[in-house]
Amino acid sequence: EVQLLESGGVLVQPGGSLRLSCAASGFTFSSYAMSWVRQAPGKGLEWVSGISTGGSTTYYADSVKGRFTISRDNSKNTLYLQMNSLRAEDTAVYYCAKDATSAMIPHSWGQGTLVTVSS
Amino acid sequence: QSVLTQPPSASGTPGQRVTISCSGSSSNIGLNYVYWYQHLPGTAPKLLIYMNNQRPSGVPDRFSGSKSGTSASLAISGLRSEDEADYYCATWDDSLSGVFGGGTKLTVL
Repeated sequence: EVQLLESGGVLVQPGGSLRLSCAASGFTFSSYAMSWVRQAPGKGLEWVSGISTGGSTTYYADSVKGRFTISRDNSKNTLYLQMNSLRAEDTAVYYCAKDATSAMIPHSWGQGTLVTVSS
Repeated sequence: QSVLTQPPSASGTPGQRVTISCSGSSSNIGLNYVYWYQHLPGTAPKLLIYMNNQRPSGVPDRFSGSKSGTSASLAISGLRSEDEADYYCATWDDSLSGVFGGGTKLTVL
């Protein structure tokens, strides 16, 4: 059974930094692209970033490009999202997702971790 | 403003068939597979349809997906009270990013 466990969500001040982690189990982590998706309070789902199986190719939404960095450690079965220059509008539940084999689009999802950006 | 356009709400009575539309463009739905998710507040989203019309194991055949040109649809037949949730479409865009619809809140009357 696929399990994705996010951690690292906290209250952080505007302009601050944070690193989210996602521990994966139940599948061959190194064989799947992975993504981060977020949901701001009262809003819909927003794709944030994706990474290829080996980590050499990464993609970002325009809203986070230049501020967020996605990475993975296949030896630890862990996905990361480094978030810098955080803004109030980054406040959201952040979901880690195992992508479909047919596209860098989520197939299985974690339960999410809440990031709150506020002074 | 989401890249993919969905109606904000839909409704039906138990046993009815409802459809939810998802409109995109030639740079996203027109070129790539469409995926559909069911999302209940406070829980992880659940994949309902992948590759336009394929159901993961465990998803009832009451749920079906279709795609034509730059639009896609999710149909739910034999509507049940537990189907009340938010539904999202998603696909890849040639701007090299994933894109979601704004979501449709389904109410079972």
